[in-house]
Amino acid sequence: GENVEQHPSTLSVQEGDSAVIKCTYSDSASNYFPWYKQELGKRPQLIIDIRSNVGEKKDQRIAVTLNKTAKHFSLHITETQPEDSAVYFCAASIGNDMRFGAGTRLTVKP
Amino acid sequence: GAVVSQHPSRVICKSGTSVKIECRSLDFQATTMFWYRQFPKKSLMLMATSNEGSKATYEQGVEKDKFLINHASLTLSTLTVTSAHPEDSSFYICSAERTESYGYTFGSGTRLTVV
Repeated sequence: GENVEQHPSTLSVQEGDSAVIKCTYSDSASNYFPWYKQELGKRPQLIIDIRSNVGEKKDQRIAVTLNKTAKHFSLHITETQPEDSAVYFCAASIGNDMRFGAGTRLTVKP
Repeated sequence: GAVVSQHPSRVICKSGTSVKIECRSLDFQATTMFWYRQFPKKSLMLMATSNEGSKATYEQGVEKDKFLINHASLTLSTLTVTSAHPEDSSFYICSAERTESYGYTFGSGTRLTVV
């Protein structure tokens, strides 16, 4: 089955700096890659996603890149703000089978 | 749009009792729903895939007789933790797949504490 690895597990940045979280996946058939933000005790919220026919997608301060050959994808957050502090999960899916990375705890220091 | 309602949000039960958690898609039909378990500071672990009108598919290591899943309609899936024990204490989250797209929407989660 699919195996998703996520790095780093924790990330601390200064407000205004950029943050990058990286994930790798094992199954080349995976075709959908969402990123979720989870605040403490709350549900994961989809923040951006990308499909296998696209290499990059951007939404304001958030961007995701996908390298199908290397089987890795990354989340980029620019101009970070304290409210970006949360746990971020990447995921890779084939049809109904979605697997999550272990999560990255991002702390943005004011 | 695409709201998933999950109840209860918190439940405390005694060892040996059963607890039912409901997951409803409010504004879309979900032929497939997913149940996850999340330990503190850990990722979401898929427990089972719930398919409307058929038996759920359980992940390896998940006891199907302990975690009963029923998906009786296109908008409702339930997870029943039977004969709960303290080690079942966890955060349980459902998600539903919107039939018209790949999108997944999560419920608000249920924090189960077994005492």
